[in-house]
Amino acid sequence: DQQVKQNSPSLSVQEGRISILNCDYTNSMFDYFLWYKKYPAEGPTFLISISSIKDKNEDGRFTVFLNKSAKHLSLHIVPSQPGDSAVYFCAASANFGNEKLTFGTGTRLTIIP
Amino acid sequence: KAGVTQTPRYLIKTRGQQVTLSCSPISGHRSVSWYQQTPGQGLQFLFEYFSETQRNKGNFPGRFSGRQFSNSRSEMNVSTLELGDSALYLCASSLGGAYTEAFFGQGTRLTVV
Repeated sequence: DQQVKQNSPSLSVQEGRISILNCDYTNSMFDYFLWYKKYPAEGPTFLISISSIKDKNEDGRFTVFLNKSAKHLSLHIVPSQPGDSAVYFCAASANFGNEKLTFGTGTRLTIIP
Repeated sequence: KAGVTQTPRYLIKTRGQQVTLSCSPISGHRSVSWYQQTPGQGLQFLFEYFSETQRNKGNFPGRFSGRQFSNSRSEMNVSTLELGDSALYLCASSLGGAYTEAFFGQGTRLTVV
């Protein structure tokens, strides 16, 4: 039972354009969401998070949007840069991050120069 | 400040053997979580230890076990290895109860032949 779903295994975006990565969840207990970025041969690194009390969180080029009614969140990267090429994982937790993380299967983002 | 250290980086084992993986968390972090990453499955939560006690457990068979020492270092053991156990095993540490600031190690790549 995949409670966190990333339905696009891969995405290619032109450098300088906007990258939009999507994530859906089914468990209504999830109230804290995170995005991790992973390069080959490295562990995932934390990118940005959002609590269910907000619908948007921004950090530089990265913005995460949360639509609780649709159980959907998205990560926007603008402008996209070649160094953004990586696998992006969406993760969710209950109890405002005090419960274990449930990860999606990841989306491989490729930025085309 | 040193990051999360996992040893060894690579392992090749034969079906039926057992294996022990090690994780040294960031200094001062008391929570250590273990994940299994396989292609198409994302990161699957194995278990979490906090102050030497297992606090959370994922849906893995009893062949997968772990422990945490008084210095917060953690080990994960897999007995009676199966081909399907081939994966990247990741360890993450966090300061306290929240998973919101989990920092990952580079992982141990286990290949079972």
